Amino acid sequence: EAQVTQNPRYLITVTGKKLTVTCSQNMNHEYMSWYRQDPGLGLRQIYYSMNVEVTDKGDVPEGYKVSRKEKRNFPLILESPSPNQTSLYFCASSTRRTGNGYTFGSGTRLTVV
Amino acid sequence: DQQVKQNSPSLSVQEGRISILNCDYTNSMFDYFLWYKKYPAEGPTFLISISSIKDKNEDGRFTVFLNKSAKHLSLHIVPSQPGDSAVYFCAATYSGGGADGLTFGKGTHLIIQP
Repeated sequence: EAQVTQNPRYLITVTGKKLTVTCSQNMNHEYMSWYRQDPGLGLRQIYYSMNVEVTDKGDVPEGYKVSRKEKRNFPLILESPSPNQTSLYFCASSTRRTGNGYTFGSGTRLTVV
Repeated sequence: DQQVKQNSPSLSVQEGRISILNCDYTNSMFDYFLWYKKYPAEGPTFLISISSIKDKNEDGRFTVFLNKSAKHLSLHIVPSQPGDSAVYFCAATYSGGGADGLTFGKGTHLIIQP
Protein backbone atom coordinates (compact mmCIF):
# COMPACT_ATOMS: atom_id res chain seq x y z
CA GLU A 1 0.00 0.00 0.00
CA ALA A 2 1.33 3.42 -1.01
CA GLN A 3 1.73 5.48 2.10
CA VAL A 4 3.63 8.00 4.18
CA THR A 5 4.43 6.69 7.63
CA GLN A 6 5.16 8.96 10.56
CA ASN A 7 6.34 7.93 14.00
CA PRO A 8 5.44 8.41 16.72
CA ARG A 9 1.76 9.32 16.47
CA TYR A 10 1.76 10.93 19.88
CA LEU A 11 4.64 12.31 21.92
CA ILE A 12 4.86 14.25 25.16
CA THR A 13 8.29 15.58 26.01
CA VAL A 14 9.97 18.16 28.19
CA THR A 15 11.52 21.44 27.16
CA GLY A 16 15.04 21.06 25.82
CA LYS A 17 15.07 17.31 25.28
CA LYS A 18 16.08 16.57 21.70
CA LEU A 19 13.64 14.52 19.67
CA THR A 20 13.21 13.20 16.16
CA VAL A 21 9.98 12.52 14.31
CA THR A 22 10.52 10.04 11.53
CA CYS A 23 8.85 10.07 8.12
CA SER A 24 9.12 7.41 5.47
CA GLN A 25 7.41 7.00 2.11
CA ASN A 26 7.28 3.94 -0.15
CA MET A 27 6.28 5.65 -3.40
CA ASN A 28 9.74 6.70 -4.62
CA HIS A 29 8.68 10.35 -4.42
CA GLU A 30 11.30 13.03 -4.97
CA TYR A 31 9.56 15.77 -3.04
CA MET A 32 8.95 15.62 0.70
CA SER A 33 7.79 18.27 3.12
CA TRP A 34 6.92 18.90 6.76
CA TYR A 35 3.94 20.94 7.90
CA ARG A 36 2.55 21.92 11.26
CA GLN A 37 -1.11 22.51 11.93
CA ASP A 38 -2.21 24.91 14.64
CA PRO A 39 -5.71 26.14 15.55
CA GLY A 40 -6.65 29.18 13.52
CA LEU A 41 -3.44 29.03 11.50
CA GLY A 42 -4.02 26.12 9.14
CA LEU A 43 -1.10 24.19 7.69
CA ARG A 44 2.26 25.93 7.58
CA GLN A 45 5.33 24.53 5.87
CA ILE A 46 8.40 23.96 8.03
CA TYR A 47 10.96 22.44 5.64
CA TYR A 48 10.90 20.72 2.29
CA SER A 49 13.22 18.61 0.19
CA MET A 50 13.35 18.40 -3.60
CA ASN A 51 15.50 15.26 -3.56
CA VAL A 52 18.27 13.48 -1.68
CA GLU A 53 20.63 15.93 0.04
CA VAL A 54 18.52 18.89 -1.13
CA THR A 55 16.57 20.64 1.62
CA ASP A 56 15.26 24.16 2.13
CA LYS A 57 13.35 26.24 4.64
CA GLY A 58 9.64 26.72 4.47
CA ASP A 59 7.62 29.42 6.20
CA VAL A 60 8.28 28.48 9.83
CA PRO A 61 11.69 26.73 10.04
CA GLU A 62 12.92 28.20 13.34
CA GLY A 63 13.75 25.54 15.92
CA TYR A 64 13.68 22.66 13.44
CA LYS A 65 16.20 20.70 11.40
CA VAL A 66 15.75 18.10 8.69
CA SER A 67 17.90 15.73 6.69
CA ARG A 68 17.42 13.77 3.48
CA LYS A 69 20.11 11.14 3.27
CA GLU A 70 17.87 8.63 1.54
CA LYS A 71 15.01 9.21 -0.86
CA ARG A 72 12.41 7.49 1.30
CA ASN A 73 13.19 9.14 4.65
CA PHE A 74 12.80 12.72 5.80
CA PRO A 75 13.14 13.03 9.58
CA LEU A 76 12.20 16.20 11.49
CA ILE A 77 14.57 17.06 14.31
CA LEU A 78 13.86 19.34 17.25
CA GLU A 79 17.23 19.96 18.90
CA SER A 80 15.81 21.83 21.90
CA PRO A 81 12.01 21.69 21.89
CA SER A 82 10.03 24.52 23.44
CA PRO A 83 6.34 24.75 24.40
CA ASN A 84 5.56 26.85 21.29
CA GLN A 85 6.43 23.79 19.22
CA THR A 86 3.46 21.96 20.66
CA SER A 87 1.52 21.20 17.52
CA LEU A 88 0.21 18.60 15.09
CA TYR A 89 2.86 17.72 12.53
CA PHE A 90 2.36 16.25 9.07
CA CYS A 91 4.86 14.84 6.66
CA ALA A 92 3.95 14.77 2.97
CA SER A 93 5.47 13.48 -0.25
CA SER A 94 4.82 13.97 -3.93
CA THR A 95 6.24 13.04 -7.31
CA ARG A 96 6.83 16.71 -7.93
CA ARG A 97 6.15 20.00 -6.34
CA THR A 98 2.67 20.44 -7.74
CA GLY A 99 1.50 17.20 -9.25
CA ASN A 100 -1.87 15.93 -8.18
CA GLY A 101 -1.17 16.77 -4.64
CA TYR A 102 0.73 15.43 -1.75
CA THR A 103 0.25 12.20 0.10
CA PHE A 104 0.18 13.04 3.79
CA GLY A 105 1.09 10.95 6.76
CA SER A 106 -1.39 10.46 9.61
CA GLY A 107 0.23 13.11 11.76
CA THR A 108 2.27 13.36 14.95
CA ARG A 109 0.76 15.17 17.90
CA LEU A 110 3.61 16.67 19.90
CA THR A 111 3.24 18.24 23.32
CA VAL A 112 6.21 20.03 24.88
CA VAL A 113 5.84 20.78 28.59
CA ASP B 1 0.64 38.20 4.94
CA GLN B 2 -1.82 35.44 4.27
CA GLN B 3 -1.64 34.51 0.61
CA VAL B 4 -4.47 31.98 0.64
CA LYS B 5 -7.58 32.92 2.56
CA GLN B 6 -10.56 30.87 3.59
CA ASN B 7 -12.74 33.39 5.34
CA SER B 8 -15.37 30.98 6.63
CA PRO B 9 -14.04 28.93 9.56
CA SER B 10 -17.16 26.77 9.45
CA LEU B 11 -20.13 26.02 7.24
CA SER B 12 -23.26 24.06 8.02
CA VAL B 13 -25.27 22.51 5.16
CA GLN B 14 -28.24 20.19 5.08
CA GLU B 15 -27.74 16.72 3.67
CA GLY B 16 -28.62 16.60 -0.03
CA ARG B 17 -28.06 20.29 -0.58
CA ILE B 18 -25.11 21.97 -2.26
CA SER B 19 -22.04 22.91 -0.21
CA ILE B 20 -19.98 25.81 -1.51
CA LEU B 21 -16.58 26.44 0.03
CA ASN B 22 -14.73 29.57 -0.94
CA CYS B 23 -11.08 30.49 -1.20
CA ASP B 24 -9.29 33.70 -2.18
CA TYR B 25 -5.64 34.20 -3.01
CA THR B 26 -3.47 37.26 -3.29
CA ASN B 27 -0.34 36.00 -5.06
CA SER B 28 -0.83 36.39 -8.82
CA MET B 29 2.05 33.95 -9.40
CA PHE B 30 -0.10 31.03 -8.20
CA ASP B 31 -1.18 28.91 -11.15
CA TYR B 32 -2.21 25.61 -9.61
CA PHE B 33 -4.83 25.13 -6.94
CA LEU B 34 -5.88 22.16 -4.87
CA TRP B 35 -8.46 21.18 -2.30
CA TYR B 36 -7.74 18.79 0.53
CA LYS B 37 -10.11 17.13 2.93
CA LYS B 38 -9.18 16.29 6.49
CA TYR B 39 -10.91 14.10 9.04
CA PRO B 40 -9.94 14.27 12.73
CA ALA B 41 -6.91 12.14 13.63
CA GLU B 42 -5.99 11.68 9.97
CA GLY B 43 -3.73 13.44 7.52
CA PRO B 44 -5.23 15.61 4.77
CA THR B 45 -6.20 13.77 1.60
CA PHE B 46 -6.12 15.23 -1.88
CA LEU B 47 -9.57 15.92 -3.29
CA ILE B 48 -9.42 17.86 -6.54
CA SER B 49 -7.18 20.35 -8.33
CA ILE B 50 -7.33 22.93 -11.08
CA SER B 51 -4.75 24.58 -13.28
CA SER B 52 -4.98 28.27 -14.09
CA ILE B 53 -5.51 27.45 -17.76
CA LYS B 54 -8.94 26.11 -16.82
CA ASP B 55 -11.90 27.68 -15.08
CA LYS B 56 -13.64 24.50 -14.03
CA ASN B 57 -12.74 20.95 -13.09
CA GLU B 58 -15.22 18.28 -12.16
CA ASP B 59 -14.84 14.94 -10.42
CA GLY B 60 -18.04 13.20 -9.47
CA ARG B 61 -19.87 15.23 -6.84
CA PHE B 62 -16.99 17.70 -6.57
CA THR B 63 -16.45 20.68 -8.85
CA VAL B 64 -13.85 23.40 -8.47
CA PHE B 65 -14.33 26.75 -10.15
CA LEU B 66 -11.54 29.26 -10.71
CA ASN B 67 -12.03 32.96 -11.36
CA LYS B 68 -8.55 34.28 -12.10
CA SER B 69 -9.55 37.91 -12.46
CA ALA B 70 -11.08 37.85 -8.99
CA LYS B 71 -8.36 35.56 -7.60
CA HIS B 72 -11.10 33.36 -6.25
CA LEU B 73 -11.87 29.68 -6.33
CA SER B 74 -14.70 27.66 -4.93
CA LEU B 75 -15.43 24.02 -4.27
CA HIS B 76 -18.96 22.78 -4.90
CA ILE B 77 -20.19 19.51 -3.44
CA VAL B 78 -23.47 18.24 -4.83
CA PRO B 79 -25.29 16.56 -3.24
CA SER B 80 -23.75 16.88 0.21
CA GLN B 81 -23.49 13.67 2.20
CA PRO B 82 -22.80 13.02 5.90
CA GLY B 83 -19.35 11.64 5.05
CA ASP B 84 -18.44 15.05 3.61
CA SER B 85 -18.29 16.49 7.12
CA ALA B 86 -14.61 17.39 7.49
CA VAL B 87 -12.19 20.30 7.37
CA TYR B 88 -11.44 21.44 3.83
CA PHE B 89 -8.18 23.17 3.00
CA CYS B 90 -7.59 25.24 -0.10
CA ALA B 91 -3.97 25.24 -1.33
CA ALA B 92 -2.06 27.03 -4.05
CA THR B 93 1.33 26.88 -5.70
CA TYR B 94 3.14 28.04 -8.83
CA SER B 95 4.51 25.47 -11.20
CA GLY B 96 7.35 27.47 -12.72
CA GLY B 97 10.42 28.77 -10.95
CA GLY B 98 11.30 28.49 -7.31
CA ALA B 99 10.87 25.45 -5.16
CA ASP B 100 8.20 26.41 -2.68
CA GLY B 101 5.57 23.87 -1.78
CA LEU B 102 1.89 24.34 -1.27
CA THR B 103 0.53 27.39 0.54
CA PHE B 104 -2.56 26.44 2.51
CA GLY B 105 -5.51 28.40 3.76
CA LYS B 106 -6.67 28.04 7.36
CA GLY B 107 -9.41 25.63 6.48
CA THR B 108 -13.21 25.52 6.58
CA HIS B 109 -15.01 23.05 8.80
CA LEU B 110 -17.94 21.68 6.82
CA ILE B 111 -20.77 20.16 8.84
CA ILE B 112 -23.44 18.21 6.99
CA GLN B 113 -26.65 18.08 8.96
CA PRO B 114 -29.15 15.25 8.50
